[in-house]
Amino acid sequence: DARVTQTPRHKVTEMGQEVTMRCQPILGHNTVFWYRQTMMQGLELLAYFRNRAPLDDSGMPKDRFSAEMPDATLATLKIQPSEPRDSAVYFCASGLPRTGGGTGELFFGEGSRLTVL
Amino acid sequence: DQQVKQNSPSLSVQEGRISILNCDYTNSMFDYFLWYKKYPAEGPTFLISISSIKDKNEDGRFTVFLNKSAKHLSLHIVPSQPGDSAVYFCFTGANSKLTFGKGITLSVRP
Repeated sequence: DARVTQTPRHKVTEMGQEVTMRCQPILGHNTVFWYRQTMMQGLELLAYFRNRAPLDDSGMPKDRFSAEMPDATLATLKIQPSEPRDSAVYFCASGLPRTGGGTGELFFGEGSRLTVL
Repeated sequence: DQQVKQNSPSLSVQEGRISILNCDYTNSMFDYFLWYKKYPAEGPTFLISISSIKDKNEDGRFTVFLNKSAKHLSLHIVPSQPGDSAVYFCFTGANSKLTFGKGITLSVRP
C-alpha cells in the first residue's frame, strides 16, 4: 500500500526554536511538493522538487524556511527560527510528471500539524 | 495572485440532492484540472480530473464540467451523501503553476 509518509504528525514548539518536518515520497515518484494549509490561504505551495532538484520555492519565506531532498526517499522542510505565524498544517505530496507537461495526480501525506507558541 | 478561485467558501445540501461546486481560473493556458477531497486531519485525496480537450468527465456520482471560454469548471455530485461532507479543492497542475483554490466546505444534511 504505497503512501506518502510524514513525520512528525504533531509538533508543538516555542517561538525561536528550529523545526524540521520530514517526508518520504511514494517510491518511484520523482516530484515532491510541500504545501501549507491555513484558514485564510487554503493550500499554499511552498516548494517543489523534480528529480531532487528544487524547481520552485518562491512560496517559501527564504529567511527562515529551507527545503531539501538529501536523497530520493527523503524530503525535509526546516523552519529556523520558528514564529507563531508559522502555525499550520504542512503537507507533503508526491507525483509523476504528466505527458504533455505539468504534473498529474498528487498523493498527499497526512500532514504535520505545527503549533508555535 | 489567486490563479484558481473558489469563491463560495461553503455549501450545504440535502442528502440525495445535487451538489455543485464551482471553480474559476485566470490563465487560459491551463489545460488540466483536478478535484481533491479533504477530510479533517487527513491529507487531500484525488477525486476526478479533466483535460482541456474534454468538456465533461464522469466517474460514478461525480462529474466535472469544463467551460474553457468562461474559464470555469464545476464538480457535480449526485446524489449527495453524508459521507461527501468534506472540503473540496480544485487544482491545476499545468506547467509550473501548481495552484489550489482555497477550498469549498460541503455539508450534506441527512
